[in-house]
Amino acid sequence: DAGITQSPRHKVTETGTPVTLRCHQTENHRYMYWYRQDPGHGLRLIHYSYGVKDTDKGEVSDGYSVSRSKTEDFLLTLESATSSQTSVYFCAISESRWTSGAGNTDTQYFGPGTRLTVL
Amino acid sequence: KQEVTQIPAALSVPEGENLVLNCSFTDSAIYNLQWFRQDPGKGLTSLLLIQSSQREQTSGRLNASLDKSSGRSTLYIAASQPGDSATYLCAVEAVTDFGNEKLTFGTGTRLTIIP
Repeated sequence: DAGITQSPRHKVTETGTPVTLRCHQTENHRYMYWYRQDPGHGLRLIHYSYGVKDTDKGEVSDGYSVSRSKTEDFLLTLESATSSQTSVYFCAISESRWTSGAGNTDTQYFGPGTRLTVL
Repeated sequence: KQEVTQIPAALSVPEGENLVLNCSFTDSAIYNLQWFRQDPGKGLTSLLLIQSSQREQTSGRLNASLDKSSGRSTLYIAASQPGDSATYLCAVEAVTDFGNEKLTFGTGTRLTIIP
C-alpha cells in the first residue's frame, strides 16, 4: 500500500467552526489531491497540488482552501463548516508519468478517508 | 462536461460465475480510463489503467476493455469469489478547461458475491 495517512479519521463539528484535515505521504510523489465522496455523486475533486506551494481548484472548491508547504503534507481547510460539507474526504497522490500520445500512465493512490460530520 | 455512468448500481451473483461491469462516458477525448475497487469504509485501490491508445488490460482474473469511440468500458471478472465483493468505480482522465488533467468518477457498482 502507498504510504498515505489522513488525520483525523473521524470528526464531528458544528456549523461555523473551522476544520483542517491533513494528508501525509511518504512516497515523495509530486501530485496530491483532495476529493469528497457523497452518495449519488461519486468522488469529486476539491483541490489539487502539483508541487510545494502550487495548488489549483477542482470542480467543488467553494468553501475550501488548501496549503502545501512541504512535499509530504497537503492540508484541506474548511474556513466555516456548513452541513453541506458533511462528507467523506479522500486524499490521493500520484507521480503523473506522461508518455507522448498516451497521457498519464500512473494511477492515483488513495488514503483511507476522513468522515466529517457537520451538525 | 464529462459524465461517467455505471449501471447497474448494485449487482449480486453466485460464487464462481463470470460477470461484467459496465462504464460509459460522454466525452471520448480522454487520456486513460481506470478501474478502482473500494471496500466499505476504506479508500480506493487501483485495479487496472487503460491508456487511450489501448483496447484492454488484464490482471489476474480481471480484464478491462476500452472502446473510446463509443464511450464505453467493461470490467470482466472471471470465476468470482466472495472476496471480490466491493464497490467498483471507473474513472476517466482528461484535460480540464484550465489545461490540467483530472479524473472524473462514476458512482460505482456495488458487487456482492453470494457464497
